[in-house]
Amino acid sequence: GNSVTQMEGPVTLSEEAFLTINCTYTATGYPSLFWYVQYPGEGLQLLLKATKADDKGSNKGFEATYRKETTSFHLEKGSVQVSDSAVYFCALSNSNSGYALNFGKGTSLLVTP
Amino acid sequence: SAVISQKPSRDICQRGTSLTIQCQVDSQVTMMFWYRQQPGQSLTLIATANQGSEATYESGFVIDKFPISRPNLTFSTLTVSNMSPEDSSIYLCSVVDRGHGYTFGSGTRLTVV
Repeated sequence: GNSVTQMEGPVTLSEEAFLTINCTYTATGYPSLFWYVQYPGEGLQLLLKATKADDKGSNKGFEATYRKETTSFHLEKGSVQVSDSAVYFCALSNSNSGYALNFGKGTSLLVTP
Repeated sequence: SAVISQKPSRDICQRGTSLTIQCQVDSQVTMMFWYRQQPGQSLTLIATANQGSEATYESGFVIDKFPISRPNLTFSTLTVSNMSPEDSSIYLCSVVDRGHGYTFGSGTRLTVV
């Protein structure tokens, strides 16, 4: 079956630091990959997505590249801000899941001034 | 992108009672999903609710406990029946939003006392 593994948090960074949150997956075929963000007290928001190998999703300075050979979709940002403090979820979907999203456990990020 | 109105946003319920959660979508969507997010945890799929067919439940979730209705392409309800404190969670609906990934409702924060 499908599974998503994310690096354990919490992750604490200083403002303007470089961010990497690792995500690897197990799935058959060619799943679509997603990063969702949940800000404190708010709902889930789509941050970025990629639907095929070598695609790069990007949004708000965040990027992630769909790496089929390493089954990874790592999230990166060159310079984080305090406002990026949130929980980040990696997820995938494919026909095996009935196109429902399978989520990783989430990584909490705290950015300090 | 699709907009989902989810109600209620929160509720405090007595054990043994039932709560029905509603999701109204502003456009017609085929696939709708219901998730549970326990405190500090990731999202777990409860069931897939496609219009015109019976809901499909994931392992660990049963229809008697979480009955779902999907009367048309814009509306669905999830009932949490015979509640216990272990049912205290955030419940979310989600739809496949063509070209935009998946859109989520704002969630229902349920506390069972």
